[in-house]
Amino acid sequence: SQTIHQWPATLVQPVGSPLSLECTVEGTSNPNLYWYRQAAGRGLQLLFYSVGIGQISSEVPQNLSASRPQDRQFILSSKKLLLSDSGFYLCAWSARHEQYFGPGTRLTVT
Amino acid sequence: EDKVVQSPLSLVVHEGDTVTLNCSYEVTNFRSLLWYKQEKKAPTFLFMLTSSGIEKKSGRLSSILDKKELFSILNITATQTGDSAVYLCALSSGNTPLVFGKGTRLSVIA
Repeated sequence: SQTIHQWPATLVQPVGSPLSLECTVEGTSNPNLYWYRQAAGRGLQLLFYSVGIGQISSEVPQNLSASRPQDRQFILSSKKLLLSDSGFYLCAWSARHEQYFGPGTRLTVT
Repeated sequence: EDKVVQSPLSLVVHEGDTVTLNCSYEVTNFRSLLWYKQEKKAPTFLFMLTSSGIEKKSGRLSSILDKKELFSILNITATQTGDSAVYLCALSSGNTPLVFGKGTRLSVIA
């Protein structure tokens, strides 16, 4: 069966510091991968999605970037965090019609 | 542009009540409609609907799709406090990422 891992589960970082969140999927090959952000009390905002290694589509221009160095690995990065980057970051994978979410990383920028 | 509208935005019911959550959509190339439940963590997958008129059921939850009128409903019977959550509807269209509605926040009080 397929599983999706995200780490860390929680993170507190100061403004201006870098960020790296990692997501890996097991039990499937060539999945579509997604990064979402959810601010407190708000809906899901799609940040990036990837249909294959090295293929990244950005939905929202901002100070975040994503990379997919391996088929089942998706990384979200920032060189300098802003206060507005605080939120709940969710990785998701899909194959065919269904989409499943990872456990999420709750990021607080102070 | 594909669009998902959920109603109501929030709902408060008493334990034992039956609730119906609505999801209407506009789409150019329908593949499937998905329902998720989100408590204080990542969304969990509930149902995927692809055909009109076929009810999907899981315990006290059920859902049905009407592709002619472009809507889906999620029913919860005999609600419990553990049903309190945000329920998300999402549309799958071609090879593009899911389009999510803003969700319905359900609160079940004892």
